[in-house]
Amino acid sequence: TQLLEQSPQFLSIQEGENLTVYCNSSSVFSSLQWYRQEPGEGPVLLVTVVTGGEVKKLKRLTFQFGDARKDSSLHITAAQPGDTGLYLCAGPGGSGGSNYKLTFGKGTLLTVNP
Amino acid sequence: GAVVSQHPSRVICKSGTSVKIECRSLDFQATTMFWYRQFPKQSLMLMATSNEGSKATYEQGVEKDKFLINHASLTLSTLTVTSAHPEDSSFYICSARGLASYNEQFFGPGTRLTVL
Repeated sequence: TQLLEQSPQFLSIQEGENLTVYCNSSSVFSSLQWYRQEPGEGPVLLVTVVTGGEVKKLKRLTFQFGDARKDSSLHITAAQPGDTGLYLCAGPGGSGGSNYKLTFGKGTLLTVNP
Repeated sequence: GAVVSQHPSRVICKSGTSVKIECRSLDFQATTMFWYRQFPKQSLMLMATSNEGSKATYEQGVEKDKFLINHASLTLSTLTVTSAHPEDSSFYICSARGLASYNEQFFGPGTRLTVL
């Protein structure tokens, strides 16, 4: 079973600060996805990274896929209260069953205080 | 595009009753949908994979007779929690597999189930 470890698990920062969230695995993934989930809502897909070393930017969010495709990071610049939420990384694969399943990390719960 | 809806968003029921949750893909056909359960401040826990026109595949430890899944059309999957008990209270989220080749999933807004 492929596992994804996210760190930190909890992060509380002040508005305007920068932060980085990590997603690591001992396995190679063909792609990794990042989702953000706000309280009481379903997760929303932010980005998919596919190529080793790839960097994608989404406004103040920068996503990077490791060269070996075993890890990824999410960097937020000048965090805002609207960035508050649970950030999940996910990759294809899982134990048994459908080939379409995703393996999810345990998530990083980010709180940005005004 | 890739919008998934869930109904109801919240439901409160008495212990022993059954509750049905609907998951619809609104603007695309989804041959594969997934049902997750989520506890507060935790990640998603996959319960089952729902395939259109065939039996659902349940994850280890999930009782298939308690959580009945039906995927009768390419846009609708339902989860029925039978004989619900307070320990079934949770946030249930469905997702639909997208059309791209990276196994991306598009999630519904979730259903908060409270069993009294």
